[in-house]
Amino acid sequence: DAGVIQSPRHEVTEMGQEVTLRCKPISGHDYLFWYRQTMMRGLELLIYFNNNVPIDDSGMPEDRFSAKMPNASFSTLKIQPSEPRDSAVYFCASHRDHKRGDTQYFGPGTRLTVL
Amino acid sequence: RKEVEQDPGPFNVPEGATVAFNCTYSNSASQSFFWYRQDCRKEPKLLMSVYSSGNEDGRFTAQLNRASQYISLLIRDSKLSDSATYLCVVNKAGTALIFGKGTTLSVSS
Repeated sequence: DAGVIQSPRHEVTEMGQEVTLRCKPISGHDYLFWYRQTMMRGLELLIYFNNNVPIDDSGMPEDRFSAKMPNASFSTLKIQPSEPRDSAVYFCASHRDHKRGDTQYFGPGTRLTVL
Repeated sequence: RKEVEQDPGPFNVPEGATVAFNCTYSNSASQSFFWYRQDCRKEPKLLMSVYSSGNEDGRFTAQLNRASQYISLLIRDSKLSDSATYLCVVNKAGTALIFGKGTTLSVSS
């Protein structure tokens, strides 16, 4: 399997622009997670889906952030409008089930810089 | 209190040294425990799960103390390639993983 795929790998944009991050989970994985990582705050969970349905979006910082999962093989995280404080590495992860001992597999991340 | 707390380090050790990392978690209902490793500018990857009885994988030993809500990772005979950030992770059944901010290890020759 190719693993979790994210695109783009790097994104530089100007404040106020819309940013869309994309993720393809590992085939057969029922759960998909979006994280944000910064030096100050570490790795923070933004939202996660089970079978394409959003389960917990309490980590989404504000209304400027939205996430969708239209099918089992694709998810997007959108920031509109973007701000400099959104600069971070955004990771997507997937796993098969929430049984004990199950692990998450992370994509390579999207490094976002908002100027 | 943060849900998962770790000493950020950095821990600077010579090759061959033994080093230990500790982690505490606040939610007594946590059921699964892991150590992840993250290399610079890379994604986190599972290093090992942590079981109540303690477990070992080569030079790595993980232990869990549920009463004290404490998790540890011991690395013996450190290698240069062990230099990374080690993330303590807990999971409460039915919810997502909660990550500590990580402990940075630097192994020098």
